[in-house]
Amino acid sequence: GAVVSQHPSWVICKSGTSVKIECRSLDFQATTMFWYRQFPKQSLMLMATSNEGSKATYEQGVEKDKFLINHASLTLSTLTVTSAHPEDSSFYICSAIPSGRAREQYFGPGTRLTVT
Amino acid sequence: AQKITQTQPGMFVQEKEAVTLDCTYDTSDPSYGLFWYKQPSSGEMIFLIYQGSYDQQNATEGRYSLNFQKARKSANLVISASQLGDSAMYFCAMREGLQGNTGFQKLVFGTGTRLLVSP
Repeated sequence: GAVVSQHPSWVICKSGTSVKIECRSLDFQATTMFWYRQFPKQSLMLMATSNEGSKATYEQGVEKDKFLINHASLTLSTLTVTSAHPEDSSFYICSAIPSGRAREQYFGPGTRLTVT
Repeated sequence: AQKITQTQPGMFVQEKEAVTLDCTYDTSDPSYGLFWYKQPSSGEMIFLIYQGSYDQQNATEGRYSLNFQKARKSANLVISASQLGDSAMYFCAMREGLQGNTGFQKLVFGTGTRLLVSP
C-alpha cells in the first residue's frame, strides 16, 4: 500500500479563528487529492477535489471561501477552515490517488476538528 | 439517486465464520471501479479490495473477496474466517469514469455496515 499522512490529527480552536490541515502523500506522487468530511456515525461526504497546480473543484453546497484548498505540490494539499464555527466541528479526511494508478486510492488518518 | 447502497446497517458474525456485506451500485458509465474500505474506531480508512468494471475475475485479497455480479450491479464483500479485529465499519465506494477526465475520479461512498465479530 501507500501512506498518506495528515497533520494535525486533532485540533481545538476558538470560534472565528482559522485552522489549516495538511495532507501529504509520503511515498508516492498524487496529481489528485480529495477532502472528505465525516460526521459521527455517518458516511464520508466529499467536499472537494484538489488537482495539483489548479483550483479545487468543490461539491455542491460546500463554501469555497470557507474551505480553502491548496494543492501546491504533487505530495501536499492543504485545507484551511476559515472563520471556523462550532458547526464546522467534524472529522476531516484527505485521500490521494497515486499518479498513474487509478485503481488505488489511499486515505489519511483524519483530523478531528473541534470548534469551541 | 443513491449511487451506492448498503442495506445492512449492522451485521453480527462469530469468530472464524464467513460473512457477506452487501453493496449495490447505480451507474450508466461503462468504466468504473468499486472499492471496499474498513474503518475501525480509530477513524482511519483502510483500503481492502478493488474491482474494476472490466475485470474478468472477481477480486481477492487474502481473506477478502469481492462477489462481483455486474448484471445485478452488486459488489458484495466476503470476509472469510472472521477475526475479532475485523469488527469495524465497512464502506463500499464507487469511482466512475476511470478513463480520461480527472474530474470524474471522485469516490462516492455508501452509508456503511457495522460489523461486529463475537468470540
